[in-house]
Amino acid sequence: EVRLVESGGGSVQPGGSLRLSCEASGFSVSTYWMHWVRQAPGKGLVWVSRINPEAEGSKTNYATSVDGRFIISRDIAKNTLYLHMNSLRVEDTATYYCIRDMVGVRELWGQGILVTVSS
Amino acid sequence: QSVLTQPPSASGTPGQRVTISCSGSITNVGTDNVYWYQQQLPGTAPKLLIYNDNQRPSGVPDRFSGSKSGTSASLAISGLRSEDEADYYCAAWDSGLSGYLFGAGTKVTVL
Repeated sequence: EVRLVESGGGSVQPGGSLRLSCEASGFSVSTYWMHWVRQAPGKGLVWVSRINPEAEGSKTNYATSVDGRFIISRDIAKNTLYLHMNSLRVEDTATYYCIRDMVGVRELWGQGILVTVSS
Repeated sequence: QSVLTQPPSASGTPGQRVTISCSGSITNVGTDNVYWYQQQLPGTAPKLLIYNDNQRPSGVPDRFSGSKSGTSASLAISGLRSEDEADYYCAAWDSGLSGYLFGAGTKVTVL
């Protein structure tokens, strides 16, 4: 079965860190553009980051709001995408989605994982 | 400022045509493709409705159509149905930001 399953969410205090994982099944995370998108409670979608295919050099891009605090990476052996989140802020509270090939015809979304930043 | 502007709401009766606009700038809509998403329930994964301005992925009904002119794009829903009640988002790559932008979303209500 082709799917993405996120994990690693939860509650953290402002200034803390969290690592989200997105395990892929049925395809390799190394061969696709992989993205993270988030959605705060009751709010709209916000693109967070992407990493391009391994064959294209694994270049990364970040939204201005997370640049310098978040790092996207992948472990090919574990077929897993990560989002390392540091210096977390209250405004980072959201459901985070892992996505394969966003805006493409082979697009695939995970179920989402909730991150809550609160004191 | 790089933003994609959508109306917060739109509505129509069953069978009507509803159009949602997405206004951007030369760094996004004006030079790159526009994409449209449907999110039927908050907290559930959105669905890609339109890619590359006006292309429908397999399985998306032809009642949904996309168009673009200059720095503005539109999503049209013809023959509106109750199951079309959802939030709709436009998206585009922004060359100035080197990142994707989403519009704030338009809530479509079927009266």
